[in-house]
Formats: sequence, C-alpha cells, structure tokens
Amino acid sequence: NAGVTQTPKFRVLKTGQSMTLLCAQDMNHEYMYWYRQDPGMGLRLIHYSVGEGTTAKGEVPDGYNVSRLKKQNFLLGLESAAPSQTSVYFCASSYTGGASGSEQYFGPGTRLTVT
Amino acid sequence: GENVEQHPSTLSVQEGDSAVIKCTYSDSASNYFPWYKQELGKGPQLIIDIRSNVGEKKDQRIAVTLNKTAKHFSLHITETQPEDSAVYFCAASISGNTPLVFGKGTRLSVIA
Repeated sequence: NAGVTQTPKFRVLKTGQSMTLLCAQDMNHEYMYWYRQDPGMGLRLIHYSVGEGTTAKGEVPDGYNVSRLKKQNFLLGLESAAPSQTSVYFCASSYTGGASGSEQYFGPGTRLTVT
Repeated sequence: GENVEQHPSTLSVQEGDSAVIKCTYSDSASNYFPWYKQELGKGPQLIIDIRSNVGEKKDQRIAVTLNKTAKHFSLHITETQPEDSAVYFCAASISGNTPLVFGKGTRLSVIA
C-alpha cells in the first residue's frame, strides 16, 4: 500500500514552459486535493476533486488546471509557468470531505522552481 | 469564507516542557478541527482531531481543546521530546464536504 505518491519530486522550469504534476493514490479515496506551500503562507488549496470526473477551484486556482479522469489519479497542470509558481506542491486524498472528519493523507511533495 | 488564524508562528521550548499552539476560526458553522504535523521534507500527517460536540480530546502526550463560544481551539503537547520538533498546522471545515482551511503553521523547536 503506497498511499499517496507524487511525480516528479523535483523540477526546474523556465518561465513560459508547461508541465504536469501527477498524483496517485491506492486507498480508493473519493476526494483529492492539490495544495501549494510557501514560506509563511501555510497550505493553500489550489484545486480539489470530490470524485472521478469532477474538479473544483480552491483558494488560489489561477494559472493552474486539473483533471481527474481516473479515481486514483489527480493531475495538476501549469500551462505557462511563472516565477510566482515556485513552490512546494502537495497532493492529498481523503475518503470523504472536510466536515465529515475524514483524514487527509498527503504525498511527499514536489519542489518546483521556475526561473 | 472561513479564516483560520494560528499563533505563534514559531515556538521554542526546553525538552520536557509543555507547548501550546492556538488557533481561532471565523465561521461559527465550522464543526471539525484537525491538527497536522509536518516533519522536514515530508507531507503533513494528522495527529489529532476534534469535533464541535466535544470540548477536549487526549491522545497520550497530545491534547486538543475547543471553545466554540470564543471560536478558538488549541493543541497541547506535554513532556516535549526532540522528535516533537516540526511544523504544526491547525485546520477547520465549514460544513458538509467543503475542504479544510489551514492555518499558516507553527514551527516548534524542542531544545534538548
């Protein structure tokens, strides 16, 4: 049982380049989330999904797109990377949503640098 | 929407002392309050949580208290150990399946 895995672990992009971050979970969770973590800013929600084929915007969605074509995978795309998107990105999954009290399981993170 | 404030941003304690981290939330409809611990280079991990129908919950050296009237909740770690050094995040959920809103985190350092 691998839990939540993220690919890649590190990436350096030039401004304007695009890339996709992959998140996979093997716990049959319905909910999946993408966060970014910046110094002093905590965890900010980018996009989330409440089930296969669904996506919703979080607190900081601009400049990112997501897709949930399969229940176990949640992809985060950057179409035209900007230096402001330099961050550590975490994926998480949970069986149910927030107030239901379902634990979120986090991946190990992807450190992205945009030059 | 919900707003979660967390204090202090950094906390240093001597090994064996207690540590307290406090959070306030803005939406009185919030009813679930988890705490996550993030060790260096890793993703956050749930350590304890509490629901709005409970005032206090304990798990060994860790406890969480909730004051619904004042809209604040706190994490208490007793007999701190060096392995407690990490970043701690509080969070709150508004209702239903709305995602959690996290505080900005507290970096706890336990000095041996």
